[in-house]
Amino acid sequence: AQSVTQLDSQVPVFEEAPVELRCNYSSSVSVYLFWYVQYPNQGLQLLLKYLSGSTLVESINGFEAEFNKSQTSFHLRKPSVHISDTAEYFCAGEYNQGGKLIFGQGTELSVKP
Amino acid sequence: NAGVTQTPKFQVLKTGQSMTLQCAQDMNHEYMSWYRQDPGMGLRLIHYSVGAGITDQGEVPNGYNVSRSTTEDFPLRLLSAAPSQTSVYFCASSPGAGRGYTFGSGTRLTVV
Repeated sequence: AQSVTQLDSQVPVFEEAPVELRCNYSSSVSVYLFWYVQYPNQGLQLLLKYLSGSTLVESINGFEAEFNKSQTSFHLRKPSVHISDTAEYFCAGEYNQGGKLIFGQGTELSVKP
Repeated sequence: NAGVTQTPKFQVLKTGQSMTLQCAQDMNHEYMSWYRQDPGMGLRLIHYSVGAGITDQGEVPNGYNVSRSTTEDFPLRLLSAAPSQTSVYFCASSPGAGRGYTFGSGTRLTVV
């Protein structure tokens, strides 16, 4: 069965420190990978996605994720976090050639001053 | 464009009651999905649709029904509400495979 696993439920970091949020996915012939962000009491927003090609993908606000097929991982990184990055982050995989989007359990990123 | 619109935003039901959560999108997206979000469990897929007239079960379909008679609408029906269905429900839509989903603002449902 398709599955996505986020290895950390909570990640506390200090402002301006680097952070990595870990995600593993179940391998499939066809899978697209995403990271979404949810700010408190809001819906989900797409942060970045991997479809094919370059294994490193970037978002407009400094996050990046690296697709690693051999390790079936899609970890999210940021070299220097801000207080405003405090949110819950979800990794997701789209299977069955589209339509079936499966989420991980979520990681709460808490950035402290 | 309104995007993905969910109604109602809040609802309290008694055990055994039935109700329909509404979801509409005005972006002409083919794919639509329903999720429930519970603390520590992320978002779990209930049902999804890849086009009008086509629906399929997700990870947690029991107790829920869906239909997709038009491209715009994807209602979720709770047949006989149970306290275990207390959750926040999100509807989402996508133009196609790999293109990302747009989410609604959610419906907070409490079953007493």
